[in-house]
Amino acid sequence: DVKVTQSSRYLVKRTGEKVFLECVQDMDHENMFWYRQDPGLGLRLIYFSYDVKMKEKGDIPEGYSVSREKKERFSLILESASTNQTSMYLCASSLFGTSGIYEQYFGPGTRLTVT
Amino acid sequence: KNEVEQSPQNLTAQEGEFITINCSYSVGISALHWLQQHPGGGIVSLFMLSSGKKKHGRLIATINIQEKHSSLHITASHPRDSAVYICAVYGGATNKLIFGTGTLLAVQP
Repeated sequence: DVKVTQSSRYLVKRTGEKVFLECVQDMDHENMFWYRQDPGLGLRLIYFSYDVKMKEKGDIPEGYSVSREKKERFSLILESASTNQTSMYLCASSLFGTSGIYEQYFGPGTRLTVT
Repeated sequence: KNEVEQSPQNLTAQEGEFITINCSYSVGISALHWLQQHPGGGIVSLFMLSSGKKKHGRLIATINIQEKHSSLHITASHPRDSAVYICAVYGGATNKLIFGTGTLLAVQP
C-alpha cells in the first residue's frame, strides 16, 4: 500500500513565523503535490514537483515556496505566515509517465491555524 | 463557473437508501477521480475511471465522456458512509487534478 505521511496533523503558528510542512511518501513516486483545502473552494494546487529539485507553480503559489531535495520528501514553506493561510494542507503523490495518468495518493492533512 | 460541478452540495439520507452524487465537468479530460474524505481525515481514492463503469463493494461509479458527466452511487447506505465525496478530473494530458467542491453526505441510522 502507498503511504503518504505528513509531519503534523495540527499546527498553530503566529503571524510572521516561518512554517515548514513536510510530506514523505514511501512508493518511489516521481510526482508530489501540495494542496490547500478551504470550505466552499475545494482543493487548490499550490505547487507540485515531478522530480528531485524540480518544481512548478500551481494555481495559488503566492506566499509559499517548496523544496524537494530527496525523491521521497516534499516540503512546503510559508516564509512569513499570515492569517489567510489558515487552512487544511494536503500532500499527494503519484507515479509519472508519458503513457498515462496515474492515481494520486493523499496524506492525512495538516490543519494549520495562524493566529 | 467552476470547471467541475457537483450536485447536490449536501445530502441527508436514511440508512439503507440508494444514493447518487453527480459530477459534471466542462473541460476535456483524460480520467476522473472519485475521492472520499471523512471528518478531520485525509482523502482516500475510491475510483479512477476514464470510461464505462467501476464497482467496488456497495459503490459504483459511472462516466459518460460524451456528456461530460459522472455519477457515484452508494447502494444500501450506512452511517459509516457519511463523508465528503469529491469529484476531480485530470484536465487534458496533464497530471494535475481539477477538483469539485465536494458533496457532504450524512446517512442517518
